[in-house]
Amino acid sequence: DIQMTQSPSSLSASVGDRVTITCRASQGITNFLAWYQVRPGKVPNLLIYAASTLQSGVPSRFSGSGSGTDFTLTISSLQPEDVATYYCQYYNSAPFTFGPGTKVDIK
Amino acid sequence: EVQLVESGGGLVKPGGSLRLSCAASGFTFSSQTMNWVRQAPGRGPEWVSSISSRSSFIYYADSVKGRFTISRDNGKNSVYLQMNSLRAEDTALYYCARGVGTVDDWGQGTLVTVSS
Repeated sequence: DIQMTQSPSSLSASVGDRVTITCRASQGITNFLAWYQVRPGKVPNLLIYAASTLQSGVPSRFSGSGSGTDFTLTISSLQPEDVATYYCQYYNSAPFTFGPGTKVDIK
Repeated sequence: EVQLVESGGGLVKPGGSLRLSCAASGFTFSSQTMNWVRQAPGRGPEWVSSISSRSSFIYYADSVKGRFTISRDNGKNSVYLQMNSLRAEDTALYYCARGVGTVDDWGQGTLVTVSS
């Protein structure tokens, strides 16, 4: 099975800062990588799929990149409503493994 | 508008059983892969099980294989999760979810608590 890791586990940044989260797969997964946002007490929300394709309705300050084993999620200008935990997910074949998450808050 | 409404959660003793249900609307249910994803308190999402549109393909996480059974009734626009031999570590909010691999839509979840 493919294992997913993320770094950092948490970060604190100021409003307007550029934030980057890294996700690494235990073996190559081409671009079968999604990113989700989980705000406190809320249902998870799909942000990005196919490593870099923005889901409809997601603000353009979110972007994704990478292929193979290394991926990044970038928030170009952090906003207060972006306080959440972000998870990557491998989804080509079962088991559809989620990463351990990166908690983002405002400094 | 896609709606996924879960039911059937509750408090159950270790070794007990529960059957979760999910009623779907707002899309062509019979052509969609459906999933169950859970989130334990303070933890991230964990994919549990998937069932293809005609039940031809069914997958389970290793953590639930042999104990949980996913099924669907396309005539009732519903998907189910039969959970047997429940353990404390199965305690979580269980989401019904639509999507193939990625989860495009989520229900609000139903809470399962396994405790003596």
